[in-house]
Amino acid sequence: NAGVTQTPKFQVLKTGQSMTLQCAQDMNHNSMYWYRQDPGMGLRLIYYSASEGTTDKGEVPNGYNVSRLNKREFSLRLESAAPSQTSVYFCASTDRGWAGELFFGEGSRLTVL
Amino acid sequence: DQQVKQNSPSLSVQEGRISILNCDYTNSMFDYFLWYKKYPAEGPTFLISISSIKDKNEDGRFTVFLNKSAKHLSLHIVPSQPGDSAVYFCAASGTGGFKTIFGAGTRLFVKA
Repeated sequence: NAGVTQTPKFQVLKTGQSMTLQCAQDMNHNSMYWYRQDPGMGLRLIYYSASEGTTDKGEVPNGYNVSRLNKREFSLRLESAAPSQTSVYFCASTDRGWAGELFFGEGSRLTVL
Repeated sequence: DQQVKQNSPSLSVQEGRISILNCDYTNSMFDYFLWYKKYPAEGPTFLISISSIKDKNEDGRFTVFLNKSAKHLSLHIVPSQPGDSAVYFCAASGTGGFKTIFGAGTRLFVKA
């Protein structure tokens, strides 16, 4: 079972470059999320998609955009990367909305120089 | 403004003893609480949850206690095993929204 798959796993960018993190889940889940993990800050929600066709801002959306391409895929785009966006990014999904356990991908480590 | 707080960055426990991880929250609209476990270079995995209508939920060696009046929950691991060494995240969510908010995490070391 693949579960939640994130690509790429590692990426190094220069300030100002753009990139897209891809996420796909094969569990037929309705809701998908993007979190970032920083030391001492835990996991902070960037954007989420409660269902196909909808997206909403989380706690730290500035500098990011998302696309819910279809039920399976939810991508996160950095249009102009900044060093403050150096982090580990996790995609997650659930089929039970607010009361559901989240299933996470393995993470994407992004470094912005 | 941290809505979910884990004030202990780390905890060290001897194998076989009890591990107690604590979590406080500020938003009274939260009504579902979860604990996740994370090993290095892996994504978090769900461990145990509790609804606000309960004050205790048990699953094997893991028990979560909820004190709504104090806005406090704790995770007890008994007995602790070296394989339990990981970062534990407390999380909370509520009706009317689809956001799950996480605490900063507590790193647990279980010494053999």
